[in-house]
Amino acid sequence: EAGVAQSPRYKIIEKRQSVAFWCNPISGHATLYWYQQILGQGPKLLIQFQNNGVVDDSQLPKDRFSAERLKGVDSTLKIQPAKLEDSAVYLCASSPGAGELFFGEGSRLTVL
Amino acid sequence: QQPVQSPQAVILREGEDAVINCSSSKALYSVHWYRQKHGEAPVFLMILLKGGEQKGHEKISASFNEKKQQSSLYLTASQLSYSGTYFCGTGTYKYIFGTGTRLKVLA
Repeated sequence: EAGVAQSPRYKIIEKRQSVAFWCNPISGHATLYWYQQILGQGPKLLIQFQNNGVVDDSQLPKDRFSAERLKGVDSTLKIQPAKLEDSAVYLCASSPGAGELFFGEGSRLTVL
Repeated sequence: QQPVQSPQAVILREGEDAVINCSSSKALYSVHWYRQKHGEAPVFLMILLKGGEQKGHEKISASFNEKKQQSSLYLTASQLSYSGTYFCGTGTYKYIFGTGTRLKVLA
């Protein structure tokens, strides 16, 4: 069974530039999560989708971050414009319901 | 509200035991435990659904006390491969992770 796919794995940008991350969850998984993990900290939930609807986005900085999940499958997370403090690993995870979360390898963002 | 884990960090010798605690200020209906190795994504260890229930994974087990809103992870006879950061995860609606516990096992 294919796992959660994320791209790109690494991205380096200048502050005020934009960046987009893509996630393809495990087939059939209704719930998709985007987490931000800053070095040395735990994953922080940015947004949680159930199919293509948003369950929670209370921690998403909506002035610069946006996310969508088209047709309840793939998802993209965009940052525009990026700030230095956005440097982090962006983890995508999916789950079939209320059980185990399956994580992708993450996208490491460095903002200079 | 993010669950608080204790201790923040622990160093063990191979073969020693450790306990990691996870406390929530909100009611817990289920608790998950994950281990994350450096540079890798978190990997699921186990889920606990009922109060007082214990589950096991290799020589790792956990308990869940709904009343106290706490869960504990027990690592028995630790191995070098147990090194990493352990996170509890909670929430049936909005899924959040605890503060994390860094565990290092020395030979």
